[in-house]
Amino acid sequence: GAGVSQSPSNKVTEKGKDVELRCDPISGHTALYWYRQSLGQGLEFLIYFQGNSAPDKSGLPSDRFSAERTGGSVSTLTIQRTQQEDSAVYLCASSLASGDSYEQYFGPGTRLTVT
Amino acid sequence: AQSVTQPDIHITVSEGASLELRCNYSYGATPYLFWYVQSPGQGLQLLLKYFSGDTLVQGIKGFEAEFKRSQSSFNLRKPSVHWSDAAEYFCAVAPRAGNKLVFGAGTILRVKS
Repeated sequence: GAGVSQSPSNKVTEKGKDVELRCDPISGHTALYWYRQSLGQGLEFLIYFQGNSAPDKSGLPSDRFSAERTGGSVSTLTIQRTQQEDSAVYLCASSLASGDSYEQYFGPGTRLTVT
Repeated sequence: AQSVTQPDIHITVSEGASLELRCNYSYGATPYLFWYVQSPGQGLQLLLKYFSGDTLVQGIKGFEAEFKRSQSSFNLRKPSVHWSDAAEYFCAVAPRAGNKLVFGAGTILRVKS
């Protein structure tokens, strides 16, 4: 079946511009996660959705970062007024939220470069 | 706060040799434990996971891991490494199902022929 998909795969933007990154989770997965992978910081959690609500936003690095999820499916991560330190690979994952089948399935990521 | 330590940043092994990648975690209770692999330019693929029960778990691609509660460790092993195993390996923990993953810094595996 289809896995987690993310778009775009690559995004180059100028400092100060806004960007939107999209994640399509595996159908039926109620939980959705955003992570960021950068050279200096490794893999960091950003935000977690259960359905359309976000019970854990603790990893968002600043108020320039926001995310939403609609219809319990697609999620968009928005970065406003991008800075060079936002350059990273943004990974999305989805899962069935509970039980012994719990595991997070990752998408291929969006590589963001802020120039 | 939870933390995961992978003490080896790089490991080089010869093809056909055995492999052990170390992972230690810090958490009050036994968390859910995972090993992921990431090939260059690719996303993360789950190799194996441990929730409870038998402390030796088998995964894909011939990998296994052993949970040792007394050492707070979850080391990944493979008896005979193949050149295609060259990648970066991440250990991760979650306090319970549905929670975010906390990752270690990763170990880059190089395989020499």
